[in-house]
Amino acid sequence: GAVVSQHPSRVICKSGTSVKIECRSLDFQATTMFWYRQFPKQSLMLMATSNEGSKATYEQGVEKDKFLINHASLTLSTLTVTSAHPEDSSFYICSARDSSERTDTQYFGPGTRLTVL
Amino acid sequence: QKEVEQNSGPLSVPEGAIASLNCTYSDRGSQSFFWYRQYSGKSPELIMSIYSNGDKEDGRFTAQLNKASQYVSLLIRDSQPSDSATYLCAVIERYSTLTFGKGTMLLVSP
Repeated sequence: GAVVSQHPSRVICKSGTSVKIECRSLDFQATTMFWYRQFPKQSLMLMATSNEGSKATYEQGVEKDKFLINHASLTLSTLTVTSAHPEDSSFYICSARDSSERTDTQYFGPGTRLTVL
Repeated sequence: QKEVEQNSGPLSVPEGAIASLNCTYSDRGSQSFFWYRQYSGKSPELIMSIYSNGDKEDGRFTAQLNKASQYVSLLIRDSQPSDSATYLCAVIERYSTLTFGKGTMLLVSP
């Protein structure tokens, strides 16, 4: 099946620093990738939709200047949490849609656990 | 507002039994339906996808779709303790974003 990787899997940083998370589709091309956030015992929350070569579309309430998304190639999207604060601590998960499939199937990466001290 | 409803559970079944997970959705334009499994602290893993009315079987899993009733279900036969997880129902219109339910926690006791 389709494989999506994320790096790093876990990161601990100090308040005020920026953290970059990479999402890669390993064996397929992904025109569209998605970034989610999940707090403990809560549902997945879609943050933004990332389309290759264009600006990301952010969901209501998500600060685009704080969560910078770049989708520079068909296999790589990055999420940068700028000036991170403790309330940004969460589980960040990306997913990718296989461009070759006629379905809308999304494959999820393993997630990145961010802890901001 | 597109909604996907699931019973939060937990749904408790003994090992070897059939687990039945249910989901209803509000958007009649939904065309694709998915079941994801999420273990605690892990990301969702695709279990089944279904696109047309009826049943779709894959190993111990059977997905059932009834578009007229806006209902999709997942049956897990011969449930195992390793099946204990949260099961997320997700629906999507064509070229849109997934709408997830809040998930049903399944507990399979040995």
